[in-house]
Parts: sequence; C-alpha cells; structure tokens
Amino acid sequence: AQKVTQAQTEISVVEKEDVTLDCVYETRDTTYYLFWYKQPPSGELVFLIRRNSFDEQNEISGRYSWNFQKSTSSFNFTITASQVVDSAVYFCALSEETSGTYKYIFGTGTRLKVLA
Amino acid sequence: SAVISQKPSRDICQRGTSLTIQCQVDSQVTMMFWYRQQPGQSLTLIATANQGSEATYESGFVIDKFPISRPNLTFSTLTVSNMSPEDSSIYLCSVDGLAGPTDTQYFGPGTRLTVL
Repeated sequence: AQKVTQAQTEISVVEKEDVTLDCVYETRDTTYYLFWYKQPPSGELVFLIRRNSFDEQNEISGRYSWNFQKSTSSFNFTITASQVVDSAVYFCALSEETSGTYKYIFGTGTRLKVLA
Repeated sequence: SAVISQKPSRDICQRGTSLTIQCQVDSQVTMMFWYRQQPGQSLTLIATANQGSEATYESGFVIDKFPISRPNLTFSTLTVSNMSPEDSSIYLCSVDGLAGPTDTQYFGPGTRLTVL
C-alpha cells in the first residue's frame, strides 16, 4: 500500500542554519510522482517541486534542494541559509495510479520554525 | 498553473447547520478534488468530482454528509451537511495541471470552517 512518512513532526532552527526535511515513501508501482508543498500560516498549499520515479536527478532551486534516492525510497528537502519566511508546515506527497486515476497520499507534515 | 478561488475563505457555523463551499477555476479542468485538513493534521481526500457524473467518494466519506456538485468544467461546490464540531477543518479544492492526472495538483486557498 502507498504510504508517506515524515518522521519529523516539528523542527526549530535559528535563521541562516541549513535544515533537511525527511520524506520516506512506500509504493509497489514503478511509475509514481513525488511532491513537496509548503503550507504557511495562511493555510494555502504552495507547490514546490514534482519528481517522477524515473528522474533521480537532484534539483536545486535557489536556497532549496531536493535529494531523491530510489534505493532508500526517500525524497528529502533541504533549505540552505533558512529565513524566518520559511516557517511553515511542509508536506511530502506521493501520487500513483489507483483504479485508473491518480490520487495523492500526503505525509503528516513537518512544522518548521525558523527563529530570528 | 491554474488560478483557483474558494468562497467563503472562513466561516463559523452552528451545530446542525450546513455550509456550501464554492471552488472556481480560471480554466477548464476535467477533475476537481476536495480535501479535508483537520486541525494540525494532514490532508485527506474527500472525493473526486468529474463534470457530468457523480462524484467518487473515498472510504469514510458519504454523499449525504458531503454532497458535491460539478455543473461545469470550471466550478464545483462541496456542502458540509448537519455539521458537528468534528467537522471543523480547512477544506481545500484542487485541480490537475495542464498535463492532466500525472501533472501537479494545484490547490485553492482553502475554507477554514469552525463549528460551534
């Protein structure tokens, strides 16, 4: 069965520190998609990145980077030089085909607090 | 990505009443999705709404409690019926990106519901 585990419930760092948010997933499919979303206090879900199962290239976007490793079923997210505006809940999600449709399974989220 | 709006953005309701949440997209989409996010929890899919057919509900959600309409390709409503305090949540609608089911899902700003 599909499952997404974000073992870190809450992380606190001081501004300018680097922080890594962990995501481990379970799936039986060979074709699937992984995502990270950010949910600031306003409640809106902001899309950050999408990865398909055939693309293991790591990606960097500004201060954000993602490490996808199929061997360990992990899709970790690192914020470099964190800022107070990075404070939010971050969700990892898995999408795969189920009965002809694609459905998202979300992890339980990691609350990141960046202290000034 | 699609621009999604929801109304109302928040509401406080009395037990036993019903609330209809509207979701409007700025482009035509095949599938629309409704999620619930209980306080401090992850997102749970309520149902998938396809234009011109009955919504498909996930396990634990029933049409009598969460009736959904999908009158056209840019609009959907979710009604939370006979509300109780346990229905206090953020309700979010989402749509697939332009590439369809394998694309990223984009989310509306959410409706924050409090039931007294």
